[in-house]
Amino acid sequence: DAGVIQSPRHEVTEMGQEVTLRCKPISGHNSLFWYRQTMMRGLELLIYFNNNVPIDDSGMPEDRFSAKMPNASFSTLKIQPSEPRDSAVYFCASSEGGYTQYFGPGTRLTVL
Amino acid sequence: KQEVTQIPAALSVPEGENLVLNCSFTDSAIYNLQWFRQDPGKGLTSLLLIQSSQREQTSGRLNASLDKSSGRSTLYIAASQPGDSATYLCAVKAAGNKLTFGGGTRVLVKP
Repeated sequence: DAGVIQSPRHEVTEMGQEVTLRCKPISGHNSLFWYRQTMMRGLELLIYFNNNVPIDDSGMPEDRFSAKMPNASFSTLKIQPSEPRDSAVYFCASSEGGYTQYFGPGTRLTVL
Repeated sequence: KQEVTQIPAALSVPEGENLVLNCSFTDSAIYNLQWFRQDPGKGLTSLLLIQSSQREQTSGRLNASLDKSSGRSTLYIAASQPGDSATYLCAVKAAGNKLTFGGGTRVLVKP
């Protein structure tokens, strides 16, 4: 298996623009997680899905952030409009049931 | 609210020395605890997972212990090598499927 796939790996955009991050989980995994990592706040869970259904989005910072999982093999995290403070590395992870989470390589987002 | 702390934030040791990394958590009602490794610019790689009913897990040179009642876990890395240089994070899983991460310990093993 190729592992968790994220795209793009790097994204540079200007404040106010829409940003869409993409994730393909490991085949057969039924849980998907979106995390954000910054130097100041460390690794934070934004939202997670079980069987394509959002279970807990309490970590989503603002209404500017939204996430979808239209099917078992694809998820998106959208920021609209983006702000400089959204600059971070965004990770997607997947797991089978409640077991080990496998992380993707991350998307480094820079908002100018 | 669960809080996870890792001390020290950074550690530098000569090659061959054993590494001891500490993790503490405030709420002992956990399902499991995981240790991850993160290399610069990379994602996280799971090293060990300890269920709440277990006291320790071993994999090669790595050994992780768990004392749920005191809210502590320790990761031991025997005979450290320069390739062990990375950031090590612990994470606890409580109700639901959420992981709460510590801030990590950045390890440098000097040749």
